[in-house]
Amino acid sequence: QVQLQQSGPGLVKPSQTLSLTCAISDDSVSNNSAAWNWIRQSPSRGLEWLGRTYYRSKWYNDYAVSVKSRITINPDTSKNQFSLQLNSVTPEDTAVYYCAREFNWGYWYFDLWGRGTLVIVSS
Amino acid sequence: QSVLTQPPSASGTPGQRVTISCSGSSSNIGSNSVNWYQQLPGTAPKLLIYSNHQRPSGVPDRFSGSKSGTSASLAISGLQSEDEADYSCAVWDDSLNGYVFGTGTKVTVL
Repeated sequence: QVQLQQSGPGLVKPSQTLSLTCAISDDSVSNNSAAWNWIRQSPSRGLEWLGRTYYRSKWYNDYAVSVKSRITINPDTSKNQFSLQLNSVTPEDTAVYYCAREFNWGYWYFDLWGRGTLVIVSS
Repeated sequence: QSVLTQPPSASGTPGQRVTISCSGSSSNIGSNSVNWYQQLPGTAPKLLIYSNHQRPSGVPDRFSGSKSGTSASLAISGLQSEDEADYSCAVWDDSLNGYVFGTGTKVTVL
């Protein structure tokens, strides 16, 4: 059964870097039929897609315009996981962060989600 | 700041029909398939409808989706207490080159 296991700190200081990891079991981060996404949710912004990484003979990334200058999503094939780094965080980045698999079952959709990590940005 | 607009709330009594709208534009709903997600309190979103109107295995047939032009709708027929949750639409936006989510609708069963 495919699972996504999130890890990372729940508290980050303003101006520092938020780092989260999503470990994949029973699938591969290099799967040509999947893309690996980060999505966050806050009461003020609702669900917000942050970006994704995927492999199609080479690695690609797409990032949301709202965070494009601050975000990096990297795959780690040796550990079969992918990570999120969000730089220069402010209290507005406080949210529950989810990793999610986007899979091509004939149509693309987020079919598998991590349990979510609450990240609070505060000094 | 979402580009997809949903009503913040909807409600009904058990057995009633509830409809949730999702309004977008030509670069998102007008060009791509819409998916709907259900989120029970304290849990991650779960796929409810994909490709505008298709139901994944295990989703009751009282849930249905439709799309017309730049708007989409989710209907819940025969409302049940376990349907009390947040519902969000999602679609790829060709102009933003990324996914956009709706503002979310909280469904309350009275």
